[in-house]
Amino acid sequence: GAVVSQHPSRVICKSGTSVKIECRSLDFQATTMFWYRQFPKQSLMLMATSNEGSKATYEQGVEKDKFLINHASLTLSTLTVTSAHPEDSSFYICSARLAGGLGEQFFGPGTRLTVL
Amino acid sequence: KQEVTQIPAALSVPEGENLVLNCSFTDSAIYNLQWFRQDPGKGLTSLLLIQSSQREQTSGRLNASLDKSSGRSTLYIAASQPGDSATYLCAVLDSSYKLIFGSGTRLLVRP
Repeated sequence: GAVVSQHPSRVICKSGTSVKIECRSLDFQATTMFWYRQFPKQSLMLMATSNEGSKATYEQGVEKDKFLINHASLTLSTLTVTSAHPEDSSFYICSARLAGGLGEQFFGPGTRLTVL
Repeated sequence: KQEVTQIPAALSVPEGENLVLNCSFTDSAIYNLQWFRQDPGKGLTSLLLIQSSQREQTSGRLNASLDKSSGRSTLYIAASQPGDSATYLCAVLDSSYKLIFGSGTRLLVRP
């Protein structure tokens, strides 16, 4: 149980286009999902916290107009990278927290974004 | 601001060795600490979760300890195998319910 999926697993796009990444909790409901970014050989950096039915909370330094987050249901959160540029190329990972406050987070397999 | 540090950054050992990975955090006000494994280009696999009230957790050949007051955790891997080669990440759930990650230890177990 507690499986989180991401789609797509890998995407290559041209500079200036927008890319949408989906994060789904397959067998549980997640009132809270998280989006992380990971540069090569570096750790995960929290970008934003996504709460079902409300606006996402962004970490300092993360542009909310560039990284649009929508958490429309208890099993789906989406991250849209708008007007992508090469510096946005990274590994994006989502996680979902079991309902209950301090529940363990379960991580998706990640999405490799390459912007040409 | 919570900061998590992992030492060493990289480790190479021959198969069969027992090894210890270290994690330290600056603020002892945490809810729990997790150890994860990450294979190249992949997501995270949770290995062990230690609640703040606990001292250690064990799963198979893995044992994780937590000393909250001193801000330290160790991950002990017994009888290492080549399949254990991966990056090991430590993360603490801080007082604002956010997971703060260390930079990881890249482990290579040589056959």
